[in-house]
Amino acid sequence: GESVGLHLPTLSVQEGDNSIINCAYSNSASDYFIWYKQESGKGPQFIIDIRSNMDKRQGQRVTVLLNKTVKHLSLQIAATQPGDSAVYFCAETKGNQAGTALIFGKGTTLSVSS
Amino acid sequence: NAGVTQTPKFQVLKTGQSMTLQCAQDMNHNSMYWYRQDPGMGLRLIYYSASEGTTDKGEVPNGYNVSRLNKREFSLRLESAAPSQTSVYFCASSAQGHDEQYFGPGTRLTVT
Repeated sequence: GESVGLHLPTLSVQEGDNSIINCAYSNSASDYFIWYKQESGKGPQFIIDIRSNMDKRQGQRVTVLLNKTVKHLSLQIAATQPGDSAVYFCAETKGNQAGTALIFGKGTTLSVSS
Repeated sequence: NAGVTQTPKFQVLKTGQSMTLQCAQDMNHNSMYWYRQDPGMGLRLIYYSASEGTTDKGEVPNGYNVSRLNKREFSLRLESAAPSQTSVYFCASSAQGHDEQYFGPGTRLTVT
């Protein structure tokens, strides 16, 4: 079936390291992808998005890479900080219709130790 | 701007009771959504409203109803709560369906 999933449920890094969180998707028709960060007890917070006509997009300390050939999405966080500790979700959607909903993966818990 | 607000923050219901979860956004967004999140899971879409006056089922609509009261407000109703509906409920909104979604803080619901 169609699903968006993450390769690892947990990732532990040291403060200052670079983090890479991976996500595989199965629907080749998906054309918009978002990474969300969710801190304990809060709603998901938008980090960065990418559309299928792009391979890479950079934000502040974050980079999203999209490999459509193998249906793979990754989030890179540079110089990871303790405040980056959270659950990270990738989400996909397809089509360009108003109200198109997101399909979320199960999430990766990032733990940053100082 | 408050963004997306949800009430209540916490609720405990007995099986068979009904309740309505409220959601409002002040960003003049067209589309609104209700998701549920269960432990260790991603968010699953219950219902969404592409624009004022329209609603559609998502992945897990059974046991729920929604009302898009106006452009700002989108409510979720449980007519007869069941323990399987114990979850955290998130409301979200976006300018258009294919845009970034902004989430509220969530409602933690327990059905005993």
